[in-house]
Amino acid sequence: ELKVEQNPLFLSMQEGKNYTIYCNYSTTSDRLYWYRQDPGKSLESLFVLLSNGAVKQEGRLMASLDTKARLSTLHITAAVHDLSATYFCAGLAMKTSYDKVIFGPGTSLSVIP
Amino acid sequence: EPEVTQTPSHQVTQMGQEVILRCVPISNHLYFYWYRQILGQKVEFLVSFYNNEISEKSEIFDDQFSVERPDGSNFTLKIRSTKLEDSAMYFCASSLLTSSYNEQFFGPGTRLTVL
Repeated sequence: ELKVEQNPLFLSMQEGKNYTIYCNYSTTSDRLYWYRQDPGKSLESLFVLLSNGAVKQEGRLMASLDTKARLSTLHITAAVHDLSATYFCAGLAMKTSYDKVIFGPGTSLSVIP
Repeated sequence: EPEVTQTPSHQVTQMGQEVILRCVPISNHLYFYWYRQILGQKVEFLVSFYNNEISEKSEIFDDQFSVERPDGSNFTLKIRSTKLEDSAMYFCASSLLTSSYNEQFFGPGTRLTVL
């Protein structure tokens, strides 16, 4: 079954700095998603990555997908405090089910002044 | 913008009691899901539902759990006899097509506390 890992699990970074969150998954996945969750809140969809080499950018966040390496990255550029949240990557289990999204453990990001 | 809604936002219940969590998916969506997130842990898939039947369920979704679409708008998750370990945030999600072609949109969640 698809397993999704993330690292780091906790990240404290200074405002203005750049950093990358890594997401590895164990078997082929049709889709790779990135979600943001603020404390006590729901999941906000950030990116849906559909194919090898896909790169998407929104503001200070950029996500990429390398299906050969089974790796997705979420790059943060010039972090600001508003980006503090937990970021989940999630994959779609392939073939056996098109319905089930498998989440990684999440990366708790804290941006400090 | 259409969104998934859930009620109540917080439910407190005694162990052994039945609870029903309610969701109103986005109106033209066809696929419905329940996930749960124990405090501080990752989001776990519970069940998916299409065409008035369960299409997939996880090992967490045992006989104590059931889902229903009682009318054209609501989608419910029932826990028959709650246990302490059922305490979690429960998220409903919906998608227009199977999620291989379309993303799932999540509701705000219901926090269930079992005492």
